[in-house]
Amino acid sequence: DIQMTQSPSTLSASIGDTVTITCRASQSISNWLAWYHQKPGKAPKLLIYEASSLQSGVPSRFSGSGSGTEFTLTISSLQPDDFATYYCQQYADFSVTFGQGTKLEIK
Amino acid sequence: EVQLVESGGGLVQPGRSLRISCTGSGFNFGDYGMSWFRQAPGKGLEWVNFIRSKLYGGATEHAASVKGRFTISRDDSKNIAYLQMNSLKTEDTAIYFCGRGVTVRGSKYWFDSWGQGTPVSVSS
Repeated sequence: DIQMTQSPSTLSASIGDTVTITCRASQSISNWLAWYHQKPGKAPKLLIYEASSLQSGVPSRFSGSGSGTEFTLTISSLQPDDFATYYCQQYADFSVTFGQGTKLEIK
Repeated sequence: EVQLVESGGGLVQPGRSLRISCTGSGFNFGDYGMSWFRQAPGKGLEWVNFIRSKLYGGATEHAASVKGRFTISRDDSKNIAYLQMNSLKTEDTAIYFCGRGVTVRGSKYWFDSWGQGTPVSVSS
């Protein structure tokens, strides 16, 4: 299976900040990467697919970049609703795998 | 509005079986691949299995951790995807989510809509 490693595991930030989360794949996955966030007790929500395509309805302060093995999710001008756990997911093969998650906390 | 609703979760003893369901509405269910995921208490997300739409042959894929024990199926006439879980283990305890797969040419899928999940607890 392709292993996905996110960093950092925890991130503290303030309203209005810009933050970046990194996701690394154990082998090249081209641009077959999605980003989700999840709040406690809720379903994951798709933010980005194909590494940089913004899902319909998702605010433009979310952006994704990267290809091959290294990817980033950037959230600009953090809003209260953005504090959640973020996951990257590769879908280069059918054995889909997720990163371990990055918890974004209010500083 | 696209909606997915899981049902059928509960408490089950180790070694027993359970079937959970995912009912879709607000979209043409038969046109989409469907997947099950799970999240153990306090842990991250884990993919469980996937079933293609009939357009792509309805074939299935399973994670190694559940292969031979879990089966995914679908009934497009009822807009339901099922997860049949046999020989359950305590480590299968989790919230089980279903997700709708969006594809490029049937070979790569990401998941744009998820249900709220149904809890499965395996304990004696």
